[in-house]
Amino acid sequence: QITLKESGPTLVKPTQTLTLTCTFSGFSLSTSEVGVGWIRQPPGKALEWLALIFWDDDKRYSPSLKSRLTITKDTSKNQVVLTMTNIDPVDTATYYCAHKLAGGGSGDYFDYWGQGTLVTVSS
Amino acid sequence: SSELTQDPAVSVALGQTVRITCQGDSLRSYYASWYQQKPGQAPVLVIYGKNNRPSGIPDRFSGSSSGNTASFTITGAQAVDEADYYCNSRDSSGDHLVFGGGTKLTVL
Repeated sequence: QITLKESGPTLVKPTQTLTLTCTFSGFSLSTSEVGVGWIRQPPGKALEWLALIFWDDDKRYSPSLKSRLTITKDTSKNQVVLTMTNIDPVDTATYYCAHKLAGGGSGDYFDYWGQGTLVTVSS
Repeated sequence: SSELTQDPAVSVALGQTVRITCQGDSLRSYYASWYQQKPGQAPVLVIYGKNNRPSGIPDRFSGSSSGNTASFTITGAQAVDEADYYCNSRDSSGDHLVFGGGTKLTVL
């Protein structure tokens, strides 16, 4: 079955760079149409899509955060890494990674999610 | 502000039908997907595409779309359905994804 798990620091200082890793199983990012996305949720607030990477290395970023985000994949390790530069307290959130198939006749959707990891930004 | 607009809160009496809507120009061209999120848990996909339910999702959940509005309906709401619901689709450019602001559903 498909599983995903996020890992990374729980506490980050302002201005630092945050690096999060999504380790998954049950699928391969070298398989056509497969993608992995990152979504975050500040405490008590709504979900926010951050970035997406596909099997063919196509990458998409939230326009509002594009300058600060980088998403990469390591197919051999079954991992996707998200880096966010110049971290600020407003970036405090639970960060989720999720499995996605490339949009087709059934549209876009994230069908499997990790449990999420809470990242707190504070000095 | 999100390009997909949801009512912040909706309530429904136990056993009744409730509709949660999601509005946005991109919905004229793209399907919405819907997620249920309970406190302290990750979101769960409940509806995708025209009106598809993943395995294990109750058939009292359904989706529809008309014009710039996507709707998620629970027919015969149960206490366990009390949760936050989010819609997700592409933005107006079609190149990126966006979530709605979420709707908190209360079952009375």
